[in-house]
Amino acid sequence: DTGVSQDPRHKITKRGQNVTFRCDPISEHNRLYWYRQTLGQGPEFLTYFQNEAQLEKSRLLSDRFSAERPKGSFSTLEIQRTEQGDSAMYLCASSSPGRPHEQYFGPGTRLTVT
Amino acid sequence: EDQVTQSPEALRLQEGESSSLNCSYTVSGLRGLFWYRQDPGKGPEFLFTLYSAGEEKEKERLKATLTKKESFLHITAPKPEDSATYLCAVQASNDYKLSFGAGTTVTVRA
Repeated sequence: DTGVSQDPRHKITKRGQNVTFRCDPISEHNRLYWYRQTLGQGPEFLTYFQNEAQLEKSRLLSDRFSAERPKGSFSTLEIQRTEQGDSAMYLCASSSPGRPHEQYFGPGTRLTVT
Repeated sequence: EDQVTQSPEALRLQEGESSSLNCSYTVSGLRGLFWYRQDPGKGPEFLFTLYSAGEEKEKERLKATLTKKESFLHITAPKPEDSATYLCAVQASNDYKLSFGAGTTVTVRA
C-alpha cells in the first residue's frame, strides 16, 4: 500500500527563482489538496482538486502560485519569483470517493528560499 | 471563518503519566473534527474523525471525545514513542478543506 508521495523532499532556491513541486496521491483517490505549514503552526489550506477540476483556492494563493492536476492523477504546485516568506513545508493530501472527508497526507516538500 | 485553538502549546509528561489535550473550535456547521499526529519533519498522520457531540474514538493509548464546542485527546499511560505534535482540525459541512489548530507538542520522558 503506497501512501501519498511528494517530490522533491527538500528544495533550496534563491529568491526570484521559480520552483515546482509534485504530488502523487493514493491510487484511486479523486480529491487532492495542497497545504502550507510554517514552523510552530498547523497546516494552512491552499487549494484542492476533485479529479482535474480545481474547486477552491485560498486567499493565501497569490498570483505567483499555480496548481494543476491535468489528468486527475498527480498534481504540481509552482511558485514563481520566490520570496523568503515562501519558505515553508508544502504538504499534499488526498481523499477517496468513499470517504471524501478523511485526508491522508504525504511527507511534504521543505522549501528554503535564500 | 472557522477557528481552532489548541491548548496547551506544549506538554511534558513522565512515562505513565496520563493527561489530556484540548481543542476548542468554532465552525459554521461541523462536518467532522479530525485528530492528526505529526512527527518532526514529516506529514501529519491521520488518527481519528469525530462527527457529533458525545462521540468517542479510541486507538491504543489515545482516546478522543467531542462536545459541541471542544474536543479532548486523552493519552493514557503514555510511552516515549507517543512524543509528537498532535494537531486538531475541523471541516465545515459545506466544504472539504481542513482548518487546523497550531498543535500541542507532547514530550514523554522515560
